[in-house]
Amino acid sequence: GQQVMQIPQYQHVQEGEDFTTYCNSSTTLSNIQWYKQRPGGHPVFLIQLVKSGEVKKQKRLTFQFGEAKKNSSLHITATQTTDVGTYFCAGSEDNTDKLIFGTGTRLQVFP
Amino acid sequence: DAGITQSPRHKVTETGTPVTLRCHQTENHRYMYWYRQDPGHGLRLIHYSYGVKDTDKGEVSDGYSVSRSKTEDFLLTLESATSSQTSVYFCATREGGQPQHFGDGTRLSIL
Repeated sequence: GQQVMQIPQYQHVQEGEDFTTYCNSSTTLSNIQWYKQRPGGHPVFLIQLVKSGEVKKQKRLTFQFGEAKKNSSLHITATQTTDVGTYFCAGSEDNTDKLIFGTGTRLQVFP
Repeated sequence: DAGITQSPRHKVTETGTPVTLRCHQTENHRYMYWYRQDPGHGLRLIHYSYGVKDTDKGEVSDGYSVSRSKTEDFLLTLESATSSQTSVYFCATREGGQPQHFGDGTRLSIL
């Protein structure tokens, strides 16, 4: 079945450093979504990418969808302590109502 | 988030007992989902519903059943709980073409 892997599993950075998490699917995706989960909280939707090669920005966050629609990345510029949490990608294949979540990348930011 | 209430929020029970978790939404969303979250596995889909009395299996459905007799309620039942089902359970809802909104989760411990 469809699998979605994320790397790295953990990342510790100093405040102000950049951070990137990568997401790879075993199958072609119709779209990819990114969620953030704060410690002790629930996942919260960040963004959805639909088009091949699409790039979207939200302030210091940059999201990319690969040309083959099988991979994606999230890059945070100049991390802040408020960026702490686990970032999940989630993809769906055509004609399905299901999202398959990646394993997540836990980000810790030291002040 | 999106008027989703999960109950109970915490439960401790013994192996072999039946357990039912409830997800209640006030947004009239068509789709509802049950996930479990375990360290190193991210969010894994158990079952989902695409309408009243319309449900389908996810990737880890063994040992779980669901029911949706009303739009607003989606019940997850563990017929005979096992220790491997100790986890945090999240309910999510969405409307067509929209991202998923998550409840606050239920922490279930099976001793």
